[in-house]
Amino acid sequence: EAGVAQSPRYKIIEKRQSVAFWCNPISGHATLYWYQQILGQGPKLLIQFQNNGVVDDSQLPKDRFSAERLKGVDSTLKIQPAKLEDSAVYLCASSLVQGTDYEQYFGPGTRLTVT
Amino acid sequence: GENVEQHPSTLSVQEGDSAVIKCTYSDSASNYFPWYKQELGKRPQLIIDIRSNVGEKKDQRIAVTLNKTAKHFSLHITETQPEDSAVYFCAAAAGGTSYGKLTFGQGTILTVHP
Repeated sequence: EAGVAQSPRYKIIEKRQSVAFWCNPISGHATLYWYQQILGQGPKLLIQFQNNGVVDDSQLPKDRFSAERLKGVDSTLKIQPAKLEDSAVYLCASSLVQGTDYEQYFGPGTRLTVT
Repeated sequence: GENVEQHPSTLSVQEGDSAVIKCTYSDSASNYFPWYKQELGKRPQLIIDIRSNVGEKKDQRIAVTLNKTAKHFSLHITETQPEDSAVYFCAAAAGGTSYGKLTFGQGTILTVHP
């Protein structure tokens, strides 16, 4: 089966600019996650969608980050305006979430550098 | 919320030796504990997971143990090989409204010397 797709793979922007990331989950996966992975740390969940509804966005900096998942499939994550500390890899993951099966499959990530 | 602590942060072993990485978690509601391997510049990949109704699980050279009472779980890799060199992350997830929400440890850089 095809994996989780993300684009772009790399992005360099200046602080205060805006940026958007796109994710296409595995077909049929109801749950989609966005993680932020700062160099040398474990991934940190930013937002979790179940179909097109938000399940958890408690760690999303809502003053500058936004995310949507229209039609319960693809998702976009936006940062506006970006700060230096937003430099990280942004990982998208999806899972089937049926019963006790909630293994998460990760995409290749988007490496963001804010200068 | 959940907090996951992982030790050690770096681990260096000789090829053929065993490697053990330990994690503790804080939320007693957590019931799913996956381990991910992440090679440099690549995505995290699930290598093994365990659920709270099981104390131990094994898959070839990899095993995971869980102690629910003490709230800790460990990854054991036997007969290590150079290709096992990577960053390993443990994670914990609870059910209920936090269904599937993973909290990750800080990671362990494993280096296997030939």
